[in-house]
Amino acid sequence: GENVEQHPSTLSVQEGDSAVIKCTYSDSASNYFPWYKQELGKRPQLIIDIRSNVGEKKDQRIAVTLNKTAKHFSLHITETQPEDSAVYFCAAGTGNKLTFGGGTRVLVKP
Amino acid sequence: SAVISQKPSRDICQRGTSLTIQCQVDSQVTMMFWYRQQPGQSLTLIATANQGSEATYESGFVIDKFPISRPNLTFSTLTVSNMSPEDSSIYLCSGESGGGSYNEQFFGPGTRLTVL
Repeated sequence: GENVEQHPSTLSVQEGDSAVIKCTYSDSASNYFPWYKQELGKRPQLIIDIRSNVGEKKDQRIAVTLNKTAKHFSLHITETQPEDSAVYFCAAGTGNKLTFGGGTRVLVKP
Repeated sequence: SAVISQKPSRDICQRGTSLTIQCQVDSQVTMMFWYRQQPGQSLTLIATANQGSEATYESGFVIDKFPISRPNLTFSTLTVSNMSPEDSSIYLCSGESGGGSYNEQFFGPGTRLTVL
């Protein structure tokens, strides 16, 4: 089955700097790659997703890139703010099933 | 996107007992899923809840331990049977609407289970 690895496990950045989280996946059939943000004690919330026919997608301060050949995708957050502090999960899916990465705890220091 | 609610939000149970978690969506969804999330860990898919038929379980999860029902397109239940302390976790349901190509999964708030 699919295996998704996510790095780093923790990331501390200064407010205003950029944050980058990287994920690799194993199943070349995966065609959907969402990113979720989970604040402490809350449910995971979808923040951006990308499908395999697209290489890059941007939504305000967040962007995702996908390299299908290398089987990796990344989340970029620019101009980080304290409210970006949370755990971020990548996932890879085929059909209707998602496999999640291990998560990245992001701390934005004011 | 649809709104998902879960009941109970948390519970403390004795080992050997069973707990049924309810998941309600405010609109019809094509797919519903159940996940487990250990504190500070990632999400692990338990099973896909199929309407009108048996759930599809992932490796390591069995129907006798985690029976699932899905009587219609807006409701599902997960039972954690014969609980042990290792079952202490957060259980989340999710729903996905739309057919054909893959669509967004949105999550319920979770049920925090502690087994003593």
